[in-house]
Amino acid sequence: GENVEQHPSTLSVQEGDSAVIKCTYSDSASNYFPWYKQELGKRPQLIIDIRSNVGEKKDQRIAVTLNKTAKHFSLHITETQPEDSAVYFCASFEQAGTALIFGKGTTLSVSS
Amino acid sequence: GAGVSQSPSNKVTEKGKDVELRCDPISGHTALYWYRQSLGQGLEFLIYFQGNSAPDKSGLPSDRFSAERTGGSVSTLTIQRTQQEDSAVYLCASSADSGNSPLHFGNGTRLTVT
Repeated sequence: GENVEQHPSTLSVQEGDSAVIKCTYSDSASNYFPWYKQELGKRPQLIIDIRSNVGEKKDQRIAVTLNKTAKHFSLHITETQPEDSAVYFCASFEQAGTALIFGKGTTLSVSS
Repeated sequence: GAGVSQSPSNKVTEKGKDVELRCDPISGHTALYWYRQSLGQGLEFLIYFQGNSAPDKSGLPSDRFSAERTGGSVSTLTIQRTQQEDSAVYLCASSADSGNSPLHFGNGTRLTVT
């Protein structure tokens, strides 16, 4: 089955700095890679996703890059703000028709 | 339209009792997932339903856990003979199809086994 590894487990940055979280996956057939943000006491919410036919996708201060050869994808947050503080989860489908497996999460703390 | 709805939002039960957790997915979503999240931990996959196909039960931790989805819509997760280690938030999510669509999560059911 699919195995998703995420690191770092915790990340502390100063407001305005960039943050990068990286995930690796095991199944070369994987073709969809979402990132979820979970604030304390709330449900996970999708912030950005990427499909295997592109190498990068941006949405304002958030970007995701995908390296299919190395089987890893990364979340980049620029100009971090205190409200970016949350737990971030990456995920990968093994292939269409199977379950979405999540990484163990990264706790991001942005201090002002 | 309405999002994924879960009930109850909180459930306290005594060790050894059975519990049922309910999930109403977004209308028209064919895929439905259950995850478990222990305090401060990640999202542990439990079970996945896709249309009329046999569910993927590979994540269920023991035979005390079971789930069904009736009419391709509402799902119920049942935990029999609850144990203290079952205490967690149980999250349900649905998506428009499988393999390439975002999951939409409910607010979860917080289960406490005393």
